[in-house]
Parts: sequence; structure tokens; C-alpha cells
Amino acid sequence: AQSVTQPDIHITVSEGASLELRCNYSYGATPYLFWYVQSPGQGLQLLLKYFSGDTLVQGIKGFEAEFKRSQSSFNLRKPSVHWSDAAEYFCAVGASGGYNKLIFGAGTRLAVHP
Amino acid sequence: NAGVTQTPKFRILKIGQSMTLQCTQDMNHNYMYWYRQDPGMGLKLIYYSVGAGITDKGEVPNGYNVSRSTTEDFPLRLELAAPSQTSVYFCASSPPFGSYEQYFGPGTRLTVT
Repeated sequence: AQSVTQPDIHITVSEGASLELRCNYSYGATPYLFWYVQSPGQGLQLLLKYFSGDTLVQGIKGFEAEFKRSQSSFNLRKPSVHWSDAAEYFCAVGASGGYNKLIFGAGTRLAVHP
Repeated sequence: NAGVTQTPKFRILKIGQSMTLQCTQDMNHNYMYWYRQDPGMGLKLIYYSVGAGITDKGEVPNGYNVSRSTTEDFPLRLELAAPSQTSVYFCASSPPFGSYEQYFGPGTRLTVT
């Protein structure tokens, strides 16, 4: 069965430090992969997506993610974190069976210290 | 463009009461979804719809019902509310041409006591 694992429930970084959020997926074929961000009290906003082609994808707000097929991973990175990046981050994979359904990971909550 | 809108933002229900969570999208998307979000659990799909008159169960449909009479609206009905339905509910929509990208509403926080 398809699944998405985000190993880190909670991460704390200092403002200006680099960030990497981990995501591992289980899917037989080439996956459609997504990162969404949820600010407190808000809905989910798409940060970036991978469908095919270049394995390093750029997103909004200075985020990027790298697809590594050999490791079944799609980790999210940012070189310098801002206090406004404090939020919950969800990794998702397109589900088999169509209709644009997504399977979400449990999320990683990011706290940023000044 | 309003995108996906949800009402109400917050609601407290007593056990056994019923209510309807409203969801409307103005992007002419065929596909719509209802999720619930519980702490540490991510988002779980309750129901989805691929067009007016067509709905199907997701991962956690028990205790919920949906209908889709128009492209724009996809209400979620809770009958006989239970404490286990305390959650944050998100509606989302997606265009039908295979991008898998979903657009989310701001959510409804529901408490059942």
C-alpha cells in the first residue's frame, strides 16, 4: 500500500540556520510528490511539486526539494530559515487509482528560534 | 478569486446533534475532497467527488455523508455527532487533468462535547 513517512514530528531551528525536512514514500511507479505548508489556523498551501524531469525542484518562499528514487525520498530544504517559516509541513504523494487523490504524511511542525 | 471557501470556521456540537459543513469553490474544478486533520495524523480523506452527482468514500467515511448537486458545492453532513468527530475539517478541489494539485479551504474546527 502507498504511504508517506515524515520521521520528524517536531523540529526546532534558529533563525538564519539551514533546514531539511525529511519525507519517505512508498510507491511502485514514478510518484507525483508534493510539499504543503500550513500556517497556524490556516489551510494548506502548496510549496512545490515533482512530477518528472529535473530531480531538484524549486518552490515558493525559497524552498526546494530533491527527489531521490534510490532512497524513496523527497526532502524539503531551505538554506536560511525566517521566523515566518514556523508552520506545519506536509509531504504528500499522488495516490494510485486516479482522481488526483493524495496520501499525506503525518506532518512536521517547525519552530523557529530568534 | 475566492478559491475554496468553508463555513463555519468554528462550531461546537453536543453529542447526537447533526450539522452540515459547507464548501464552495469558484474554480470550476471537477474534483472535490473532504479531509479531517487530527494531531499527529496528517490528513485523512473522508469522501471525494469527481463531478456533480458522483461521490465516493475515502479512507474514513463512517459517520459522514456527502452530496454534490452542483460543480461548485460539496457539503459534508455529520449525523449523530460523536466525540471522535472532534477534528479540523478541510475541503479541497482539483482540476481534472492529472496534475494532482489540490487547493484547500481554510478549514472548520469542530468540537463535539
